[in-house]
Amino acid sequence: QKEVEQNSGPLSVPEGAIASLNCTYSDRGSQSFFWYRQYSGKSPELIMFIYSNGDKEDGRFTAQLNKASQYVSLLIRDSQPSDSATYLCAGAFTGGGNKLTFGTGTQLKVEL
Amino acid sequence: DGGITQSPKYLFRKEGQNVTLSCEQNLNHDAMYWYRQDPGQGLRLIYYSQIVNDFQKGDIAEGYSVSREKKESFPLTVTSAQKNPTAFYLCATQDRLNTEAFFGQGTRLTVV
Repeated sequence: QKEVEQNSGPLSVPEGAIASLNCTYSDRGSQSFFWYRQYSGKSPELIMFIYSNGDKEDGRFTAQLNKASQYVSLLIRDSQPSDSATYLCAGAFTGGGNKLTFGTGTQLKVEL
Repeated sequence: DGGITQSPKYLFRKEGQNVTLSCEQNLNHDAMYWYRQDPGQGLRLIYYSQIVNDFQKGDIAEGYSVSREKKESFPLTVTSAQKNPTAFYLCATQDRLNTEAFFGQGTRLTVV
């Protein structure tokens, strides 16, 4: 069983809408979670990280973590065409030696 | 200019040939990782190292080898035993456990 799972998409949203990206994980010994954005042919870049239960906001982005339900999500408000990319969820798990484990990514398409 | 340097950006390998991908960092980070990414897929961990002179196999280590003789360097050798090496290879570093990873620009390897 994969430790981090994401729906591969594509997830299509109209410009200006809220995009909701979700990630579930299987290891209860979780420590921290990260959301990366990856444009085609480029390397991933960090958008946000979250360690504690609840919400964390940074500009148009909000990360949500629920350790009891074992999911983490990323909300993108006022979606722009430039947000079109693949979003990778990653977690660091105690059971995995705290190394980063990535999901397969969700492709987001923001349509005009 | 701090960062992670991967070279070369593009690499072509003949059948049966070993090739080495370079990853150098001047961020003074302890942990270094190698990931493989196939088209439309997420990141799969090949090897990782959390300290000099020590490294661990990831999920897809067969056909690959690494060394960590210096903190700054973590080269990856793709051996002839790797039967399908065509992929995008990403090197990442991490300052300490449970923190975000930073990525190099990647090496695109193609078998010709």
